Amino acid sequence: QSALTQPPSASGSPGQSVTISCTGTSSDLGVYNYVSWYQQHPGKAPKLMIYGVSKRPSGVPDRFSGSKSGKTASLTVSGLQADDEADYYCSSYADSNSLVFGGGTKLTVL
Amino acid sequence: QVQVQESGPGLVEPSETLSLTCSVSGYSISSGSYWGWIRQPPGKGPEWIGSFFHGGSTQYNPSLKSRVTISGDTSKGQFFLKLSSVTAADTAVYYCARTQWGFSYYIDVWGKGTTVTVSS
Repeated sequence: QSALTQPPSASGSPGQSVTISCTGTSSDLGVYNYVSWYQQHPGKAPKLMIYGVSKRPSGVPDRFSGSKSGKTASLTVSGLQADDEADYYCSSYADSNSLVFGGGTKLTVL
Repeated sequence: QVQVQESGPGLVEPSETLSLTCSVSGYSISSGSYWGWIRQPPGKGPEWIGSFFHGGSTQYNPSLKSRVTISGDTSKGQFFLKLSSVTAADTAVYYCARTQWGFSYYIDVWGKGTTVTVSS
């Protein structure tokens, strides 16, 4: 069970859009539409931002959106704000009835 | 509002068993959700440990399955993690959580986490 692959860092200026990718395999993200994304500020617990590839929980701004194509999922943050600076992790349901996470992307707001 | 809170020793000796408790408030653990544990080693991404349903169904990370037991006590609104034969590689922040499982798969309620260090 390997971790999903994310770029270690991403950045953008306030007001801009940034997209974070998450690449899996044919045992997880490539065959299941159960991708979720989590935001984690330093010293805090992760917070659910996207589930089911593109669904937003109540309270999450519509500036956050998700998509998937093949074995790659993406999280797009539009209208970047200072508080969006955080680590972002993707996750997918996987074979063996399990969950797998990515290694994380540190988003910097310039 | 559903809340979960981890508790347990912050230091465990190598080869011993790590035991943590998660207390759930604002929701009955017998009401249909799955409950689970996730850990995050320092500077790394989260790692799913496993989940359980009050009816007895459990799912474990294949890489940890031989050492993990997750169970619950619905009368106390608590569930538990036991991880045996720990090593330094098990040092991490451990989170308990409510997990959506079946129709979709994600973690929607997280505890604040508890740091567990494996060291003699």
